[in-house]
Amino acid sequence: EAQVTQNPRYLITVTGKKLTVTCSQNMNHEYMSWYRQDPGLGLRQIYYSMNVEVTDKGDVPEGYKVSRKEKRNFPLILESPSPNQTSLYFCASSLALAGGPAYEQYFGPGTRLTVT
Amino acid sequence: GESVGLHLPTLSVQEGDNSIINCAYSNSASDYFIWYKQESGKGPQFIIDIRSNMDKRQGQRVTVLLNKTVKHLSLQIAATQPGDSAVYFCAETGNQFYFGTGTSLTVIP
Repeated sequence: EAQVTQNPRYLITVTGKKLTVTCSQNMNHEYMSWYRQDPGLGLRQIYYSMNVEVTDKGDVPEGYKVSRKEKRNFPLILESPSPNQTSLYFCASSLALAGGPAYEQYFGPGTRLTVT
Repeated sequence: GESVGLHLPTLSVQEGDNSIINCAYSNSASDYFIWYKQESGKGPQFIIDIRSNMDKRQGQRVTVLLNKTVKHLSLQIAATQPGDSAVYFCAETGNQFYFGTGTSLTVIP
């Protein structure tokens, strides 16, 4: 089954404790992306990757890191989480066409993160 | 940054009626505009997209209209069904994606 998986689905942590949210897709997609979703603000793009070893900042990259060492995986790293990073996080993937991503993004089920 | 806004945060329609969800965008240079549906507890799901050089695109029971003059995008859902109840997001993109804040559609049986 074609899918994007994220782990963990729920996480409660404390300020400053490094954490990683994993994302994996089995569709051989080039484009992968992380979003955070907050009430009243919609989805905001954190980082995206057009292909292996290629990553770019989205709209709200501060406090986050990503890596793209393999095509299927795109982990999101919070080196020193803070309460304002409490949010619902989504990973997504799509094919990449010449000049940009295909627009049918496939989203993972979400990771609800609480930082106290 | 970009600004993508939906006109109404909530919309209620009777089952069987047509629904229209509106969206305003700010970037004239965006290549594509996309509509997503998000059901409770799930990630967004692609519905339909439209390229910037088109005015209208139809899918199954859905139509997207693009008015570049006023930077307005709309999603029309024909014969709305209870399963259409969800939050709908518009998005614009080049390489980055910019999402609106969403309209919550409730279908009244």
